[in-house]
Amino acid sequence: DAKTTQPNSMESNEEEPVHLPCNHSTISGTDYIHWYRQLPSQGPEYVIHGLTSNVNNRMASLAIAEDRKSSTLILHRATLRDAAVYYCILSLMNRDDKIIFGKGTRLHILP
Amino acid sequence: DGGITQSPKYLFRKEGQNVTLSCEQNLNHDAMYWYRQDPGQGLRLIYYSQIVNDFQKGDIAEGYSVSREKKESFPLTVTSAQKNPTAFYLCASSTFESPLHFGNGTRLTVT
Repeated sequence: DAKTTQPNSMESNEEEPVHLPCNHSTISGTDYIHWYRQLPSQGPEYVIHGLTSNVNNRMASLAIAEDRKSSTLILHRATLRDAAVYYCILSLMNRDDKIIFGKGTRLHILP
Repeated sequence: DGGITQSPKYLFRKEGQNVTLSCEQNLNHDAMYWYRQDPGQGLRLIYYSQIVNDFQKGDIAEGYSVSREKKESFPLTVTSAQKNPTAFYLCASSTFESPLHFGNGTRLTVT
């Protein structure tokens, strides 16, 4: 079973910020939090990852709770091209584990 | 450009036939993975390999087989023992401290 819990779907208006939540209450100290997104009929693409501190990159920001039991992916200004399924997963960085995906959150962007 | 190539994009087979899906990467990644995705579902792990000549079963390995004779190649065989082989198959690779890189998938239809 996936070690993360996400809402099945969310909606947002174009050009507004989007906050995608993820719960991972059983996270261990060595688990990294990764986010990927998948467009229809394509493989998932990497968005962002973090361990303890909040992270920013050109695509998004990742806010990690102080107890690390939850995190939020923030898209600062949603566009129609951000409509996708977003997956939050936990992974050991040394890859000495199975990497399990859940069903993710389907994000709909309203024009 | 470096990346992962899955071929073919679409594959059709008759029931009872074995079929092999190709996955090649030129990223020099040690670890490779095969996932299966059914409509509206997340990704389920079939097999993964962290080093040449070694691989481990994922959550749904029954009816599938793999080999890892070369670092850059991780072919997946869907055998006639797989009861519901029609699905979208995704290959991924990674290395220490890197996110997963996915191919664009092979859509297999068995009739």
